[in-house]
Amino acid sequence: SQTIHQWPATLVQPVGSPLSLECTVEGTSNPNLYWYRQAAGRGLQLLFYSVGIGQISSEVPQNLSASRPQDRQFILSSKKLLLSDSGFYLCAWSTSRDSYGYTFGSGTRLTVV
Amino acid sequence: AQTVTQSQPEMSVQEAETVTLSCTYDTSESNYYLFWYKQPPSRQMILVIRQEAYKQQNATENRFSVNFQKAAKSFSLKISDSQLGDTAMYFCAFMWNKLVFGAGTILRVKS
Repeated sequence: SQTIHQWPATLVQPVGSPLSLECTVEGTSNPNLYWYRQAAGRGLQLLFYSVGIGQISSEVPQNLSASRPQDRQFILSSKKLLLSDSGFYLCAWSTSRDSYGYTFGSGTRLTVV
Repeated sequence: AQTVTQSQPEMSVQEAETVTLSCTYDTSESNYYLFWYKQPPSRQMILVIRQEAYKQQNATENRFSVNFQKAAKSFSLKISDSQLGDTAMYFCAFMWNKLVFGAGTILRVKS
């Protein structure tokens, strides 16, 4: 069966520090991968998605970037965090047909102080 | 661009009663998918129910059912026999090429 792992679960980082959040999927190949952000008490905003290694699409201009160095690995990064980067970050995957929706990881709560 | 609107920020229901959460969406596409996701306090996103737009029959999953009105672009979720474990934020989501979420409805089930 397919599983998705996301870490760390919680992160407190100072303003101006770098960020690296990692997501991996097991039990499938060539998944579509997604990064969402959820601000406190609000809906999910799609940040990046990837349909293959090295293929990244950005949905909104921001201080963050994403990379997909391996088929089942998706990384969210920042060189210098801003206070506004605080939030709950969710990784998700789907099959290439993705008509059955996305399966989400357990999320990372990021607090920038 | 597709948009999803959930007009009820918060709702409450007594245990064992029925509650309906509203969702409307805007799209010019004819073939798409609609979903309801549940996010309990653990914040894990859980798929509740899925509807294919080309199917007229409303989807059901145990105590959860939807009322899909394609012409009205409406997709409401009915929870029957509400349980304390149903307390969560519920998100309506639309998918044509990407999954787009509404702002969510917080549902509290009271004993």
